[in-house]
Amino acid sequence: DTGVSQDPRHKITKRGQNVTFRCDPISEHNRLYWYRQTLGQGPEFLTYFQNEAQLEKSRLLSDRFSAERPKGSFSTLEIQRTEQGDSAMYLCASSLGVAGPYNEQFFGPGTRLTVL
Amino acid sequence: SQQGEEDPQALSIQEGENATMNCSYKTSINNLQWYRQNSGRGLVHLILIRSNEREKHSGRLRVTLDTSKKSSSLLITASRAADTASYFCATDAWGNNRLAFGKGNQVVVIP
Repeated sequence: DTGVSQDPRHKITKRGQNVTFRCDPISEHNRLYWYRQTLGQGPEFLTYFQNEAQLEKSRLLSDRFSAERPKGSFSTLEIQRTEQGDSAMYLCASSLGVAGPYNEQFFGPGTRLTVL
Repeated sequence: SQQGEEDPQALSIQEGENATMNCSYKTSINNLQWYRQNSGRGLVHLILIRSNEREKHSGRLRVTLDTSKKSSSLLITASRAADTASYFCATDAWGNNRLAFGKGNQVVVIP
Protein backbone atom coordinates (compact mmCIF):
# COMPACT_ATOMS: atom_id res chain seq x y z
CA ASP A 1 0.00 0.00 0.00
CA THR A 2 1.62 3.26 -1.10
CA GLY A 3 -0.92 5.62 0.43
CA VAL A 4 -0.65 7.82 3.51
CA SER A 5 -0.60 5.80 6.71
CA GLN A 6 -1.28 6.88 10.27
CA ASP A 7 -0.62 5.21 13.58
CA PRO A 8 -2.39 4.48 15.83
CA ARG A 9 -5.86 4.39 14.31
CA HIS A 10 -7.51 4.84 17.69
CA LYS A 11 -6.23 6.27 20.95
CA ILE A 12 -8.05 6.53 24.24
CA THR A 13 -6.35 8.49 26.96
CA LYS A 14 -7.10 10.16 30.25
CA ARG A 15 -7.19 13.90 30.61
CA GLY A 16 -3.78 15.30 31.37
CA GLN A 17 -1.81 12.58 29.60
CA ASN A 18 0.44 13.16 26.60
CA VAL A 19 -0.19 11.46 23.27
CA THR A 20 1.81 11.20 20.07
CA PHE A 21 0.58 10.31 16.61
CA ARG A 22 2.60 9.32 13.59
CA CYS A 23 2.02 9.95 9.90
CA ASP A 24 3.88 8.37 7.00
CA PRO A 25 3.22 10.27 3.76
CA ILE A 26 3.41 8.99 0.22
CA SER A 27 7.13 8.57 -0.35
CA GLU A 28 7.69 11.09 -3.13
CA HIS A 29 5.55 13.78 -1.51
CA ASN A 30 7.45 16.63 0.10
CA ARG A 31 4.48 18.42 1.66
CA LEU A 32 2.75 17.05 4.73
CA TYR A 33 -0.33 18.47 6.45
CA TRP A 34 -2.17 17.90 9.71
CA TYR A 35 -5.89 18.54 10.10
CA ARG A 36 -8.35 18.02 12.92
CA GLN A 37 -11.95 16.96 12.41
CA THR A 38 -14.67 16.96 15.02
CA LEU A 39 -17.99 15.19 14.69
CA GLY A 40 -20.25 16.65 12.03
CA GLN A 41 -17.66 19.16 10.84
CA GLY A 42 -15.20 19.38 8.02
CA PRO A 43 -11.48 19.07 8.70
CA GLU A 44 -9.68 22.14 10.06
CA PHE A 45 -6.11 22.91 9.10
CA LEU A 46 -3.53 22.67 11.88
CA THR A 47 -0.08 22.87 10.29
CA TYR A 48 1.99 21.93 7.28
CA PHE A 49 5.57 21.02 6.38
CA GLN A 50 7.61 21.48 3.25
CA ASN A 51 10.22 18.74 3.63
CA GLU A 52 11.43 19.13 7.25
CA ALA A 53 10.46 22.79 7.60
CA GLN A 54 7.23 23.67 9.38
CA LEU A 55 5.99 26.55 7.28
CA GLU A 56 2.59 27.38 8.68
CA LYS A 57 0.69 26.84 11.90
CA SER A 58 -2.97 27.52 12.57
CA ARG A 59 -4.11 29.47 15.60
CA LEU A 60 -5.88 26.22 16.52
CA LEU A 61 -2.48 24.76 17.33
CA SER A 62 -2.08 25.79 20.94
CA ASP A 63 1.16 25.57 22.91
CA ARG A 64 0.20 22.06 23.98
CA PHE A 65 0.50 20.87 20.38
CA SER A 66 3.79 20.26 18.63
CA ALA A 67 4.52 18.71 15.27
CA GLU A 68 7.80 17.58 13.80
CA ARG A 69 9.09 16.13 10.58
CA PRO A 70 12.75 15.60 11.40
CA LYS A 71 14.02 13.99 8.21
CA GLY A 72 11.43 15.25 5.81
CA SER A 73 9.70 11.90 5.71
CA PHE A 74 7.35 10.83 8.51
CA SER A 75 5.83 13.32 10.92
CA THR A 76 4.68 13.20 14.53
CA LEU A 77 2.01 15.25 16.25
CA GLU A 78 2.21 15.43 20.02
CA ILE A 79 -0.46 16.74 22.33
CA GLN A 80 0.63 17.46 25.89
CA ARG A 81 -1.71 17.58 28.88
CA THR A 82 -4.68 16.44 26.83
CA GLU A 83 -8.09 17.98 27.44
CA GLN A 84 -11.51 16.59 26.63
CA GLY A 85 -11.84 19.21 23.91
CA ASP A 86 -8.93 17.58 22.10
CA SER A 87 -11.13 14.58 21.29
CA ALA A 88 -11.32 14.47 17.51
CA MET A 89 -10.09 12.71 14.41
CA TYR A 90 -6.57 13.82 13.50
CA LEU A 91 -5.94 13.57 9.78
CA CYS A 92 -2.66 13.67 7.94
CA ALA A 93 -2.33 14.45 4.25
CA SER A 94 0.53 14.75 1.80
CA SER A 95 1.05 16.33 -1.58
CA LEU A 96 3.75 16.68 -4.22
CA GLY A 97 4.08 20.39 -3.59
CA VAL A 98 4.38 21.15 -7.28
CA ALA A 99 4.64 24.85 -7.88
CA GLY A 100 1.63 26.41 -9.50
CA PRO A 101 -2.13 25.97 -9.18
CA TYR A 102 -2.06 22.32 -8.29
CA ASN A 103 -2.13 21.04 -4.75
CA GLU A 104 -3.98 17.74 -4.64
CA GLN A 105 -3.72 16.38 -1.12
CA PHE A 106 -3.99 12.68 -0.29
CA PHE A 107 -5.33 11.85 3.16
CA GLY A 108 -4.55 9.07 5.57
CA PRO A 109 -7.23 7.12 7.47
CA GLY A 110 -6.86 9.32 10.54
CA THR A 111 -6.23 8.77 14.24
CA ARG A 112 -9.33 9.00 16.40
CA LEU A 113 -8.48 10.43 19.80
CA THR A 114 -10.82 10.10 22.76
CA VAL A 115 -9.89 11.94 25.94
CA LEU A 116 -11.74 10.70 29.01
CA SER B 1 -10.41 33.11 5.96
CA GLN B 2 -12.34 31.43 3.19
CA GLN B 3 -14.54 28.49 3.89
CA GLY B 4 -16.56 26.25 1.67
CA GLU B 5 -20.19 25.83 2.63
CA GLU B 6 -22.19 23.04 1.10
CA ASP B 7 -25.90 23.12 0.41
CA PRO B 8 -27.94 21.01 1.06
CA GLN B 9 -26.50 19.41 4.16
CA ALA B 10 -28.28 16.06 3.83
CA LEU B 11 -29.63 14.31 0.78
CA SER B 12 -31.46 11.01 0.47
CA ILE B 13 -32.03 9.56 -2.99
CA GLN B 14 -32.94 6.31 -4.71
CA GLU B 15 -30.28 4.27 -6.43
CA GLY B 16 -29.99 5.33 -10.06
CA GLU B 17 -30.98 8.94 -9.42
CA ASN B 18 -28.61 11.87 -9.72
CA ALA B 19 -27.33 13.73 -6.68
CA THR B 20 -26.36 17.38 -6.80
CA MET B 21 -24.71 19.38 -4.06
CA ASN B 22 -23.45 22.92 -4.00
CA CYS B 23 -20.61 24.76 -2.36
CA SER B 24 -20.02 28.46 -1.91
CA TYR B 25 -16.91 30.25 -0.76
CA LYS B 26 -15.97 33.76 0.18
CA THR B 27 -12.58 34.74 -1.25
CA SER B 28 -10.51 34.22 -4.38
CA ILE B 29 -9.23 30.71 -4.87
CA ASN B 30 -6.54 28.88 -6.74
CA ASN B 31 -8.50 25.66 -6.99
CA LEU B 32 -11.44 23.86 -5.46
CA GLN B 33 -11.48 20.20 -4.55
CA TRP B 34 -14.19 17.70 -3.67
CA TYR B 35 -13.62 14.88 -1.24
CA ARG B 36 -15.66 11.91 -0.10
CA GLN B 37 -15.58 10.48 3.40
CA ASN B 38 -17.17 7.24 4.43
CA SER B 39 -18.35 7.03 8.01
CA GLY B 40 -15.48 7.51 10.45
CA ARG B 41 -12.77 7.15 7.81
CA GLY B 42 -10.25 9.31 6.00
CA LEU B 43 -11.04 11.50 3.03
CA VAL B 44 -10.77 10.34 -0.55
CA HIS B 45 -9.93 12.92 -3.18
CA LEU B 46 -12.53 12.96 -5.96
CA ILE B 47 -11.75 15.83 -8.27
CA LEU B 48 -9.86 19.11 -8.44
CA ILE B 49 -10.98 22.04 -10.56
CA ARG B 50 -8.70 25.01 -11.13
CA SER B 51 -9.87 28.59 -10.97
CA ASN B 52 -9.56 28.99 -14.74
CA GLU B 53 -11.71 25.93 -15.43
CA ARG B 54 -15.49 25.96 -15.58
CA GLU B 55 -16.36 22.28 -15.75
CA LYS B 56 -14.65 18.99 -15.18
CA HIS B 57 -15.70 15.36 -15.47
CA SER B 58 -14.42 12.22 -13.86
CA GLY B 59 -16.41 9.06 -14.42
CA ARG B 60 -19.88 9.64 -12.98
CA LEU B 61 -18.80 12.93 -11.40
CA ARG B 62 -19.29 16.34 -12.89
CA VAL B 63 -18.00 19.46 -11.19
CA THR B 64 -18.71 23.03 -12.19
CA LEU B 65 -17.07 26.18 -10.93
CA ASP B 66 -18.42 29.71 -11.20
CA THR B 67 -15.79 32.08 -9.86
CA SER B 68 -18.02 35.12 -10.43
CA LYS B 69 -20.56 33.64 -8.01
CA LYS B 70 -17.90 31.95 -5.88
CA SER B 71 -19.73 28.66 -6.10
CA SER B 72 -19.25 25.10 -7.25
CA SER B 73 -21.49 22.12 -7.75
CA LEU B 74 -20.86 18.39 -7.67
CA LEU B 75 -23.15 16.10 -9.64
CA ILE B 76 -23.08 12.35 -9.15
CA THR B 77 -24.95 10.62 -11.93
CA ALA B 78 -26.63 7.20 -11.74
CA SER B 79 -25.98 6.95 -8.01
CA ARG B 80 -25.15 3.67 -6.33
CA ALA B 81 -25.52 2.47 -2.76
CA ALA B 82 -21.72 2.66 -2.48
CA ASP B 83 -21.93 6.44 -3.05
CA THR B 84 -23.43 6.79 0.43
CA ALA B 85 -20.95 9.05 2.21
CA SER B 86 -20.24 12.62 3.28
CA TYR B 87 -18.99 14.92 0.55
CA PHE B 88 -16.84 17.95 1.30
CA CYS B 89 -15.69 20.79 -0.85
CA ALA B 90 -12.38 22.40 0.01
CA THR B 91 -10.85 25.58 -1.34
CA ASP B 92 -7.18 26.34 -1.80
CA ALA B 93 -6.09 29.94 -2.16
CA TRP B 94 -2.96 30.81 -4.14
CA GLY B 95 0.15 30.25 -2.07
CA ASN B 96 -1.92 29.31 0.95
CA ASN B 97 -1.37 25.55 0.97
CA ARG B 98 -4.12 25.02 3.48
CA LEU B 99 -7.46 23.57 2.45
CA ALA B 100 -10.53 25.23 3.90
CA PHE B 101 -13.31 22.67 4.15
CA GLY B 102 -17.04 23.11 4.36
CA LYS B 103 -19.23 21.23 6.80
CA GLY B 104 -20.06 18.52 4.31
CA ASN B 105 -23.07 16.98 2.63
CA GLN B 106 -24.38 13.65 3.86
CA VAL B 107 -25.66 11.64 0.93
CA VAL B 108 -27.65 8.45 1.45
CA VAL B 109 -28.39 6.32 -1.59
CA ILE B 110 -31.22 3.90 -0.97
CA PRO B 111 -30.90 0.59 -2.85
